[in-house]
Amino acid sequence: DTGVSQDPRHKITKRGQNVTFRCDPISEHNRLYWYRQTLGQGPEFLTYFQNEAQLEKSRLLSDRFSAERPKGSFSTLEIQRTEQGDSAMYLCASSLSRLSSGANVLTFGAGSRLTVL
Amino acid sequence: DQQVKQNSPSLSVQEGRISILNCDYTNSMFDYFLWYKKYPAEGPTFLISISSIKDKNEDGRFTVFLNKSAKHLSLHIVPSQPGDSAVYFCAANIRGAQKLVFGQGTRLTINP
Repeated sequence: DTGVSQDPRHKITKRGQNVTFRCDPISEHNRLYWYRQTLGQGPEFLTYFQNEAQLEKSRLLSDRFSAERPKGSFSTLEIQRTEQGDSAMYLCASSLSRLSSGANVLTFGAGSRLTVL
Repeated sequence: DQQVKQNSPSLSVQEGRISILNCDYTNSMFDYFLWYKKYPAEGPTFLISISSIKDKNEDGRFTVFLNKSAKHLSLHIVPSQPGDSAVYFCAANIRGAQKLVFGQGTRLTINP
């Protein structure tokens, strides 16, 4: 397994355009997460899926953001009508269902860096 | 509402000495704490974790200490090596939840 893959690695777009990021998790992982990281900050939780069900969304995820995981495998994160404030690194992570006694260890991809001009 | 805080943006340590990275938290519902390491152009990678019912966990050169009464944890790296230069994030699991809550990170630089 090659780990968590994200595409594209970099995206430069003009304000108002739509962008879509793709994440391919580790194949045996049933949970998939999206995080956003801005300069000087730690990753901030956006949303997560268990299989194809989106189980939690952060208040950071405005109406312009939508995430899908149609077949419980890869996921897409779409941002509509991008704004300059959307410029960030978008990180995808995956994990197995958390055991009753154990830390939930997330495996991260390298991220997709978005620059909105 | 910053539930996990890393108050030192950067730390510089000489090679071979001990590196100590600190983290404070406010939420008593955290049941596991994790440390991640991040190199430029890569995603964060998991280093070590500790349960809230423990006060120490060790893995090779890395040891995490937890002080529940002070809501404080620290990561000790000894001896520090040049390859340890990276940004370190403290993270926490909320009991019963799946997401991780991250601190702001501390950039560690190991000087030869």
